[in-house]
Amino acid sequence: QQQVKQSPQSLIVQKGGISIINCAYENTAFDYFPWYQQFPGKGPALLIAIRPDVSEKKEGRFTISFNKSAKQFSLHIMDSQPGDSATYFCAASKGDMRFGAGTRLTVKP
Amino acid sequence: NAGVTQTPKFRVLKTGQSMTLLCAQDMNHEYMYWYRQDPGMGLRLIHYSVGEGTTAKGEVPDGYNVSRLKKQNFLLGLESAAPSQTSVYFCASSYVRQGYGYTFGSGTRLTVV
Repeated sequence: QQQVKQSPQSLIVQKGGISIINCAYENTAFDYFPWYQQFPGKGPALLIAIRPDVSEKKEGRFTISFNKSAKQFSLHIMDSQPGDSATYFCAASKGDMRFGAGTRLTVKP
Repeated sequence: NAGVTQTPKFRVLKTGQSMTLLCAQDMNHEYMYWYRQDPGMGLRLIHYSVGEGTTAKGEVPDGYNVSRLKKQNFLLGLESAAPSQTSVYFCASSYVRQGYGYTFGSGTRLTVV
């Protein structure tokens, strides 16, 4: 049973558009919520992370929105670029890191 | 470059064969992890280690063994490979276990025929 559910599985966005990926978790003990970016043939790399005591964190074009009561969090990529085309994983941690199934993002020029 | 190095990058095994995947990190991290990545399943934790000489089971440990004889190395063993173990294996390390990002290696693509 997957503890972190991620949607959509795939996403196609035009250059300059906003990409939104959503995740939901079950375990209220989770206290760290990172997003990882993975390019083909490479390992996942930490992109941005948030803790449940804040509702939003922004780093450049990447923003995490966090809703503790709904047990949901999302990644927003503003002004999406073709170089953002990758697979994105959300995760949640309380000791062990549990990952979502991943979203393959394609940004069309 | 500092980071996590995995060897080999690719391997094809026959059912029943054994092999060892090697992970090495040069960041002096205490914690190391082995994950497998399968389509539609994300990354699932196989085993992890909280320090030299220690190991523990993750979500999907069956069919795998691990050892951490040196702080910088974490080995994943398959004693009798099965087709269900066809996957991409990632090693990761972290400074602390909780509330901190992981550094991943570039992966080992294993095919069991």
